[in-house]
Amino acid sequence: AQSVTQLDSQVPVFEEAPVELRCNYSSSVSVYLFWYVQYPNQGLQLLLKYLSGSTLVKGINGFEAEFNKSQTSFHLRKPSVHISDTAEYFCVMTGNQFYFGTGTSLTVIP
Amino acid sequence: EAGVVQSPRYKIIEKKQPVAFWCNPISGHNTLYWYLQNLGQGPELLIRYENEEAVDDSQLPKDRFSAERLKGVDSTLKIQPAELGDSAVYLCASSLSTTETQYFGPGTRLLVL
Repeated sequence: AQSVTQLDSQVPVFEEAPVELRCNYSSSVSVYLFWYVQYPNQGLQLLLKYLSGSTLVKGINGFEAEFNKSQTSFHLRKPSVHISDTAEYFCVMTGNQFYFGTGTSLTVIP
Repeated sequence: EAGVVQSPRYKIIEKKQPVAFWCNPISGHNTLYWYLQNLGQGPELLIRYENEEAVDDSQLPKDRFSAERLKGVDSTLKIQPAELGDSAVYLCASSLSTTETQYFGPGTRLLVL
């Protein structure tokens, strides 16, 4: 069965600290992976995506993610977070269908 | 470039009433999606269009929900009759193709009383 699992529903982190938001997927076919962000009272927007090629992908606002096929993971990282990064983050997989993770709420503490 | 436009932004109705949502995708985007997002959860795909053809509507509750995309551009999503459990945010997204980035509209927040 195909699925996306975001392992942490809430992640509090202090400002300027590093953060990792975890995402694991399950699929029997090739997949494309995305991270979307939803700021409070705003629409979803793309952070980054992996289609093929280099397994380390860089996105907007200093975020990056690494596709790990052997561990079926696509974790999102940022070396130093800002208050403005407080938002809901969704891991998305497309294979035969579209799958959104349940989201990780990142709260940056001043 | 204009983004995905949705209207209305907010809608409050009584249960058993009909309601309709409208979406105008980004120009040139062949693929259009309707999602439902409950509070604190991720979006769930309701239906996906490739041009005017609904290619994935397996998650659409067809007893009360219907959708159309005339001429492969704008789309409407309808609920008739609405139930209390339909209260949610309805998101529309579009993309050039299935593997391309999806661009989301601001959503329509529905409250059924």
